[in-house]
Amino acid sequence: DIQMTQSPSSLSASVGDRVTITCRASQGIRNDLGWYQQKPGKAPKRLIYAASSLQSGVPSRFSGSGSGTEFTLTISSLQPEDFATYYCLQHNSYPFTFGPGTKVDIK
Amino acid sequence: QVQLQESGPGLVKPSGTLSLTCAVSGGSISSSNWWSWVRQPPGKGLEWIGEIYHSGSTNYNPSLKSRVTISVDKSKNQFSLKLSSVTAADTAVYYCARADAMGLEFLYWGQGTLVTVSS
Repeated sequence: DIQMTQSPSSLSASVGDRVTITCRASQGIRNDLGWYQQKPGKAPKRLIYAASSLQSGVPSRFSGSGSGTEFTLTISSLQPEDFATYYCLQHNSYPFTFGPGTKVDIK
Repeated sequence: QVQLQESGPGLVKPSGTLSLTCAVSGGSISSSNWWSWVRQPPGKGLEWIGEIYHSGSTNYNPSLKSRVTISVDKSKNQFSLKLSSVTAADTAVYYCARADAMGLEFLYWGQGTLVTVSS
């Protein structure tokens, strides 16, 4: 199995802050990676696909980068509605695996 | 717009079988897509369970493979999950999900259904 790690596991930030979350794969996955936002009691919502493509309807303050084994999700200016948990997902090989999540809360 | 809706018992006894169905609307289960199940224990992360194609081909997570069966019912435009020999560790919100039109996972999600394993 491909193991996905995320850092940090949690962070506290203020509205307007720039936030960066890192996801690492235990082996190369090309750009077969998505980023998801999940709020309590809700299904995950895809923000980024193919590592760096912005999902339609998602604000442009979200961006993704990376390829191979290291990936980042950046929120350029954190907004109140962005406080949530973020997950990466690799779908390069079976079984598909998610990162453990990064919880972003209010400082 | 594809919509997914999970249904099934919210309470299952230990050693029993968990059975859920995902109804698909706004699209055909016979389209060129794989249909997945994902679960999330309370307060924990996401785990991919497995997927099925309308032909009946499946891929399962090896960690659950011995207990999981995913099937498709094209006449009802739905697919199903069965998980046998459940324990408290199988208590989770279960989601059905699907990739986007390019086959990139997962764009479409059901709202999720909580299944509790308890006597």
